[in-house]
Amino acid sequence: DVKVTQSSRYLVKRTGEKVFLECVQDMDHENMFWYRQDPGLGLRLIYFSYDVKMKEKGDIPEGYSVSREKKERFSLILESASTNQTSMYLCASSLSPGQGNTGELFFGEGSRLTVL
Amino acid sequence: AQSVAQPEDQVNVAEGNPLTVKCTYSVSGNPYLFWYVQYPNRGLQFLLKYITGDNLVKGSYGFEAEFNKSQTSFHLKKPSALVSDSALYFCAVRVPGDYKLSFGAGTTVTVRA
Repeated sequence: DVKVTQSSRYLVKRTGEKVFLECVQDMDHENMFWYRQDPGLGLRLIYFSYDVKMKEKGDIPEGYSVSREKKERFSLILESASTNQTSMYLCASSLSPGQGNTGELFFGEGSRLTVL
Repeated sequence: AQSVAQPEDQVNVAEGNPLTVKCTYSVSGNPYLFWYVQYPNRGLQFLLKYITGDNLVKGSYGFEAEFNKSQTSFHLKKPSALVSDSALYFCAVRVPGDYKLSFGAGTTVTVRA
């Protein structure tokens, strides 16, 4: 079974702090994603990466950055946390579409961030 | 651009009754369609997918979904709901060759005993 592990389930940070959210997958997936989930808005894509050191902006990248130095690890960084970044953050991974792969996402358990 | 609509924020059914969660999509080209379920304070779990072929697809926990190209819909169904099916359900769409899934806003299902 694919396992996607998010290192922190619950975090409480103060406005202006730098926040790191870590995600590790163990199935050699090429693609990794960061979504945020807010009630009534569903999941919105922040950033994704299709290879080591590669990254692409999603729909809501403002205020976030990412790092992918190793294939299995994808980090989300909030340089200066703000209260409107209080949310549930979900990491996911997938194989690249094609060659019989249908590209469904496998999710971690989520990291609930509260910014005071 | 691709998008997904889940027209109902909430669905309430009695245990043992049929459950339907609605989803419509908009894409350019042939869609890949997915359903996920989320239990409280957990990540999303994959339920089922439509890629091609038979319009009725079966998935985990007794769920199935019907792809209707003319109505651009992919409704999730279960013939007899259980209290344990109470959760948040998400529909998602992707076009072939794209990496990203676009998700609907989610539908909260409550099954009462």
